[in-house]
Amino acid sequence: GDSVTQMEGPVTLSEEAFLTINCTYTATGYPSLFWYVQYPGEGLQLLLKATKADDKGSNKGFEATYRKETTSFHLEKGSVQVSDSAVYFCALSDSTGGSYIPTFGRGTSLIVHP
Amino acid sequence: GAGVSQSPRYKVAKRGQDVALRCDPISGHVSLFWYQQALGQGPEFLTYFQNEAQLDKSGLPSDRFFAERPEGSVSTLKIQRTQQEDSAVYLCASSPGAASAFFGQGTRLTVV
Repeated sequence: GDSVTQMEGPVTLSEEAFLTINCTYTATGYPSLFWYVQYPGEGLQLLLKATKADDKGSNKGFEATYRKETTSFHLEKGSVQVSDSAVYFCALSDSTGGSYIPTFGRGTSLIVHP
Repeated sequence: GAGVSQSPRYKVAKRGQDVALRCDPISGHVSLFWYQQALGQGPEFLTYFQNEAQLDKSGLPSDRFFAERPEGSVSTLKIQRTQQEDSAVYLCASSPGAASAFFGQGTRLTVV
């Protein structure tokens, strides 16, 4: 079945550091890929997405490129802020069987220090 | 409202009690999903509706869990005879179709 694997956290960075959170996936079809962010006590918010190979999703300084050859969708940001501290989830949505049911990774906690 | 609304936000249940969790999706969204999120884990799929039809319930952990969406809008997740292992955050999401899912804030269930 479909699955998503993320790097384990927590990832601890100083403000303005470069961020990479690795994500790889396994899917039977041609999935769409997503990054969601969850702030403490809140639900998941869509951060960015890519629907086909070589697409780059971007939002709020974050970006990720859909790499079919390496089945990866790594999240990057050039300069993190304290307010970026949250848990980040990589997810995929596959049309196998006619349903688009998102499958999530375990999440990666990001802690940014001033 | 503009987003997915879930109620209650917090629920404390005594072991053995029945609970009902409500989800009000974004108006017009065809797809509705329920997930269970344990502390420190990612959301785990429970069940999926397309309009009023429950097309996938493969993630429901036991027959104590039941979900419905009778008119293709509001959905209720019911858990009978709650157990301590049911303690988690229950997330609802809706989607207009083959697109991004939008999540509510979740209901934190604590079984004591």
